[in-house]
Amino acid sequence: DVKVTQSSRYLVKRTGEKVFLECVQDMDHENMFWYRQDPGLGLRLIYFSYDVKMKEKGDIPEGYSVSREKKERFSLILESASTNQTSMYLCASSLYRGSDNEQFFGPGTRLTVL
Amino acid sequence: KQEVTQIPAALSVPEGENLVLNCSFTDSAIYNLQWFRQDPGKGLTSLLLIQSSQREQTSGRLNASLDKSSGRSTLYIAASQPGDSATYLCAASGGSYIPTFGRGTSLIVHP
Repeated sequence: DVKVTQSSRYLVKRTGEKVFLECVQDMDHENMFWYRQDPGLGLRLIYFSYDVKMKEKGDIPEGYSVSREKKERFSLILESASTNQTSMYLCASSLYRGSDNEQFFGPGTRLTVL
Repeated sequence: KQEVTQIPAALSVPEGENLVLNCSFTDSAIYNLQWFRQDPGKGLTSLLLIQSSQREQTSGRLNASLDKSSGRSTLYIAASQPGDSATYLCAASGGSYIPTFGRGTSLIVHP
């Protein structure tokens, strides 16, 4: 079974802190994604990556950056956390870009910025 | 830009009913459509993926169908159980293979 793990289930940070969210997948997937999910807004794509050291902006990249130094790990960085970044953050991965490409999600990180 | 709509937004049914969840998409040039389940406070669990060349997929009591020409997919749940209570999301992937998600249908199955 594909396993996508996220470093924390719950995280509380203060405004202005630098925050790192880690995501690791164990199935040699090429593609990795970071989303945030908010009530009434659904899932919104922040960044994605098709390969090591590659990154592409999603729909809402402002205030975030990412790092993919190894194929299995995709990190989301909040350079200076703000209260409007309080949200559920979901990481996902998929094997490659094809019609049978199934996306798998991690358990999520509930981030609260005070 | 692809838009995905799920109707109804919420559904409450008694245990044992067969039910249909709907997903519609505006751009029929999709490569696949995936159905997910999400329990409160948790991540998404993949249920079924239908490739564009397929018409339906089945897993246990779940059956998902795809009609690209009409821009619709349905998830059929047979003999619903309280354990089926969750939010169900669909996601359509086009040429970029970046899924576009619907807002989900929140399902409650009461005993």
